[in-house]
Amino acid sequence: QVQLVESGGGVVQPGGSLRLSCAASGFTFNRHGMHWVRQLPGKGLEWVAVIWHDGSTTYYGDSVKGRFSISRDNSKNTLFLQMNGLRADDTAVYYCAKDRFDSSGFPDRWGQGTLVTVSS
Amino acid sequence: DIQMTQSPSNLSASVGDRVTITCRASQSVNKWLAWYQQKPGKAPRLLIYKTSTLESGVPSRFSGSGSETGFALTISSLQPDDSATYYCQQYSDFLSFGRGTKVEI
Repeated sequence: QVQLVESGGGVVQPGGSLRLSCAASGFTFNRHGMHWVRQLPGKGLEWVAVIWHDGSTTYYGDSVKGRFSISRDNSKNTLFLQMNGLRADDTAVYYCAKDRFDSSGFPDRWGQGTLVTVSS
Repeated sequence: DIQMTQSPSNLSASVGDRVTITCRASQSVNKWLAWYQQKPGKAPRLLIYKTSTLESGVPSRFSGSGSETGFALTISSLQPDDSATYYCQQYSDFLSFGRGTKVEI
């Protein structure tokens, strides 16, 4: 079955950087687009970024554009999110999610999330 | 950006009740609308996509309807396991989510 396991979360100071990883298994990773979606504490869901199945195309939400970078290593079935210039309002649980299609459709499976806390 | 507005924010109902959650988009999303269920401390679970298509394994008491800018999720006979927060999400223009509806039983 599909498994998505995020890692790399933790506490970081404002202005700092963090790199999240998502290890995927149970499906053909290089055939699916992948998303990062975050959930602020006690709040709703916010889309962060998407990457096409082959890594050729990426898109970002307005709140992270220019600061975050999504990438993937299809040889290792792993998705990444490089987060730079972190701010307090980036504090959230970050989920990786598998898209139903090879580009940007809708997420059909989600990982359990990793918590990022931005605080001094 | 497409804004998604869900109502109500909270809903209290009894086992066996028919429950409807509505979702409105700020512009047409055609039929590209999904619904997710999330329980505390858990990841969202896909229930419905393309407005009304039930995801495999989802109980048939869940159904979706609507088009363009107005959508609804209906639970025909509420069960104790349905206690959760429900989110609508458009995927016509990348992704955006409603603020969620917390269903208490």
